[in-house]
Amino acid sequence: AQSVTQLDSQVPVFEEAPVELRCNYSSSVSVYLFWYVQYPNQGLQLLLKYLSGSTLVKGINGFEAEFNKSQTSFHLRKPSVHISDTAEYFCAVSISSGAQKLVFGQGTRLTINP
Amino acid sequence: GAVVSQHPSWVICKSGTSVKIECRSLDFQATTMFWYRQFPKQSLMLMATSNEGSKATYEQGVEKDKFLINHASLTLSTLTVTSAHPEDSSFYICSARTGGANNSPLHFGNGTRLTVT
Repeated sequence: AQSVTQLDSQVPVFEEAPVELRCNYSSSVSVYLFWYVQYPNQGLQLLLKYLSGSTLVKGINGFEAEFNKSQTSFHLRKPSVHISDTAEYFCAVSISSGAQKLVFGQGTRLTINP
Repeated sequence: GAVVSQHPSWVICKSGTSVKIECRSLDFQATTMFWYRQFPKQSLMLMATSNEGSKATYEQGVEKDKFLINHASLTLSTLTVTSAHPEDSSFYICSARTGGANNSPLHFGNGTRLTVT
């Protein structure tokens, strides 16, 4: 079975500072990796995904993530955050064959302070 | 882009009654939809996978008789919480894939906030 661990439940940063949200996964088979953002009382919006190829993937809103197979990590980064980036961020994994379901991490609450 | 509409966005019901939540894919056909449950400040937990024209596949620990899922068409799946109790209060979110492959995009509804009094 697959599992996802987001190491930080809350991350406070100042506006225009860089941020990294950490994500580690566990799987015995190859996986696809995703980052989603959730604003209050809303569903999830896809930020970016890693399926194959280049390990550095760029997403919307200036976010990027790097897949590191040896460290089983998929950390999310942004060089300069804005107040509007305040939200809950979820890392997720699905296996690349067979069942289609996503397994989510616990979430990281990103709070941007002025 | 692909849109998933969930209705209602919030509902309050009395204990013992049943509530139906709809999940519609507005501009694409979804052979598979997923239902998640999210408790406050927690992650999404997959409840079941809804397959068009066949029985839903429930995750371990989810009561299929309590959470009835119907996926009667390629654009509509419904989740009915039967004989609701206060502990069923939660945020329910559906999602749907635009394609059949595991790497096809997964689109989420905006969720339904259920409060059982």
